[in-house]
Amino acid sequence: QVQLQQWGAGTLKPSETLSLTCAVYGGSSTGSFWSWIRQPPGKGLEWIGEINPSGDTSYNPSLKSRVTISADTSQKQFSLDLRSVTAADTAVYYCARGLKGSSPDYYYYYMAVWGKGTTVTVSS
Amino acid sequence: SSELTQEPTMSVALGQTVKITCQGDSLRNYYATWYQQRPGQAPVLVIFGKNSRPSGIPARFSGSISGTTASLTITGAQAADEADYYCSSRDTGENTSVVFGGGTRLTVL
Repeated sequence: QVQLQQWGAGTLKPSETLSLTCAVYGGSSTGSFWSWIRQPPGKGLEWIGEINPSGDTSYNPSLKSRVTISADTSQKQFSLDLRSVTAADTAVYYCARGLKGSSPDYYYYYMAVWGKGTTVTVSS
Repeated sequence: SSELTQEPTMSVALGQTVKITCQGDSLRNYYATWYQQRPGQAPVLVIFGKNSRPSGIPARFSGSISGTTASLTITGAQAADEADYYCSSRDTGENTSVVFGGGTRLTVL
């Protein structure tokens, strides 16, 4: 059973870089998409990006210019860097493990394992 | 990128049935995935694929799709089902981002 443990700085000043890491414990990582999702206070979920089983990255177009997601397979960890943060980046940040599948007519994608979340506050 | 549209709030009487819907063009190619989120907690997967439930999710949760509208049905809602529900899928075409609906806050009366 895969479990995720995440950590990183909880308070940042504007223009700094948000850095979070998520460690993967247990289970098989085969076919996994390693994702980051955030949730501003009182708002919905926003996907930030992912690194796929081939090691390729995909990002939310609205954040793409400021985001880097990387993975260290030897350490079984993946990381998020978000540059030039502002107050609008204040949110709970989650890491998650995604899996993709298909049937004759449809694809499906789901994230069954999530980290507990890290609250990040950007304030001067 | 594609959008998924959900009703912001819904309510259901205890023991009754409620259907939460999610509409979007990406649902022509992807089944909707449904997550439940209680206050202060991480989202929990409740439905994925055509109508699959992870281990531990009660059978009163079910999913369906018709055209570009997906539904999450809770049959015999319990007080524990009061939560925010988010649908999700992936964009189609060149940009394969993951997309979330805006969420539906469900109140059990």
